[in-house]
Amino acid sequence: DTAVSQTPKYLVTQMGNDKSIKCEQNLGHDTMYWYKQDSKKFLKIMFSYNNKELIINETVPNRFSPKSPDKAHLNLHINSLELGDSAVYFCASSQASRGTDTQYFGPGTRLTVL
Amino acid sequence: AQSVTQPDIHITVSEGASLELRCNYSYGATPYLFWYVQSPGQGLQLLLKYFSGDTLVQGIKGFEAEFKRSQSSFNLRKPSVHWSDAAEYFCAVGEKYGNKLVFGAGTILRVKS
Repeated sequence: DTAVSQTPKYLVTQMGNDKSIKCEQNLGHDTMYWYKQDSKKFLKIMFSYNNKELIINETVPNRFSPKSPDKAHLNLHINSLELGDSAVYFCASSQASRGTDTQYFGPGTRLTVL
Repeated sequence: AQSVTQPDIHITVSEGASLELRCNYSYGATPYLFWYVQSPGQGLQLLLKYFSGDTLVQGIKGFEAEFKRSQSSFNLRKPSVHWSDAAEYFCAVGEKYGNKLVFGAGTILRVKS
């Protein structure tokens, strides 16, 4: 009965490859997010979707492309992986996109690019 | 642009001692403020949040935080720390619309017996 789940938990790949990380929430929330946590544990938002519509798109290389097939899923596809993409990626969801809506985080996906 | 500063990278306290983790924010309007905790290898869990009203807010696990507008601070406190509190703590400021959270760099709490 996990609220926000991510797959895979660990991902090790070579530079130049393309990979995807999947996120699913069973909370019935309308809004989902992707955050990146770098090696210094600094956590920064990348994208946010509300009802499958992109509402936040931070300064992220266009090699990163989020896709939301439905409200319960927000996947992150990364093309041409680079060493600097190594990080922990967290998915989160909230009831709506108001500032008062608590965000619930998934367990994270640790991506290592060799 | 909004920002959050957590001045202490590491803090070590003895079990049973009191705890205060500092957080300062920069935000043009009335801030929405949050404290999250991250245990090793885990996602982030919300401890407490402040939107308006009483400036002293209570959270889970016996934590509380006080919003001080004059000091632009939202410090987290606990009167008696337990070994299970060892984790990393993140302060965040949120926007009213769009729900974008801006996080501080985190404070690692170590608890010694």
